[in-house]
Amino acid sequence: DPKIIQKPKYLVAVTGSEKILICEQYLGHNAMYWYRQSAKKPLEFMFSYSYQKLMDNQTASSRFQPQSSKKNHLDLQITALKPDDSATYFCASSQDILGFSGQLYFGEGSKLTVL
Amino acid sequence: GDSVTQTEGPVTLSEGTSLTVNCSYETKQYPTLFWYVQYPGEGPQLLFKVPKANEKGSNRGFEATYNKEATSFHLQKASVQESDSAVYYCALGEGMGYKLTFGTGTSLLVDP
Repeated sequence: DPKIIQKPKYLVAVTGSEKILICEQYLGHNAMYWYRQSAKKPLEFMFSYSYQKLMDNQTASSRFQPQSSKKNHLDLQITALKPDDSATYFCASSQDILGFSGQLYFGEGSKLTVL
Repeated sequence: GDSVTQTEGPVTLSEGTSLTVNCSYETKQYPTLFWYVQYPGEGPQLLFKVPKANEKGSNRGFEATYNKEATSFHLQKASVQESDSAVYYCALGEGMGYKLTFGTGTSLLVDP
C-alpha cells in the first residue's frame, strides 16, 4: 500500500484558475517536501517542511503556497495557473530534516495540465 | 548552481545484456551522490547512495563508483532483467541534504 498518498493523480485546469494538490504520508516522518518535474526537465526541489514549519523555499513565485494542517499533511495550493505550471508534482518525506540521509520517500505524483 | 547530466534515453536492451548509464555532475562542494529508480506508476525510490569519493554503492545488482576527479557516478549492471525496466535518476545532495539536484532521468526498457 502506498505510504505517501497524493490526490488527485491527474488534473486539468484552465489558465488563471486555482488548484490544491493533496499529500498525506503515513510513514511517521517529520519532514515533508514538494518537488516538481516538468516535461524533459529534472525533478526540481520546491519546498521543505519540518514539524510543519517551512524550512526552505526554492520557488520564485508566490503563486505556490504549501499548507500544513497536520504533521503528516503537506498540501500545495497553486493560484493564477499558467500553462508553464504543467508538470508532475511529487510530494516526498524523510524521517527528519537534519542529519538527512538522502533517503527521500516519494508519492506517485500529481500530474497537472494547464490549458 | 549544481547540475547533473546523465545519459539521454530511452535506452532499450535485451535481457542478459549489460547496462551503463552515464552520470556527470557539477558542484563547488563535496556532495553525496545518489541513484534513484522510478518504476511505472510509482514515485522515485532510492536505489543507493555514496557519501564519499572512491567508494562504491550497490543494490539489486546495480553499482556505481563515486569518482571525484572525473566528477562522475556511472550506473552499471552486468545483466539486466525485464523487471529492471524503469526510469533511473542520478542526483546529488549537499549541505542540507534534502535539497537534491536530479538529472533528467534515463528511461530503460528491457526486452524479454
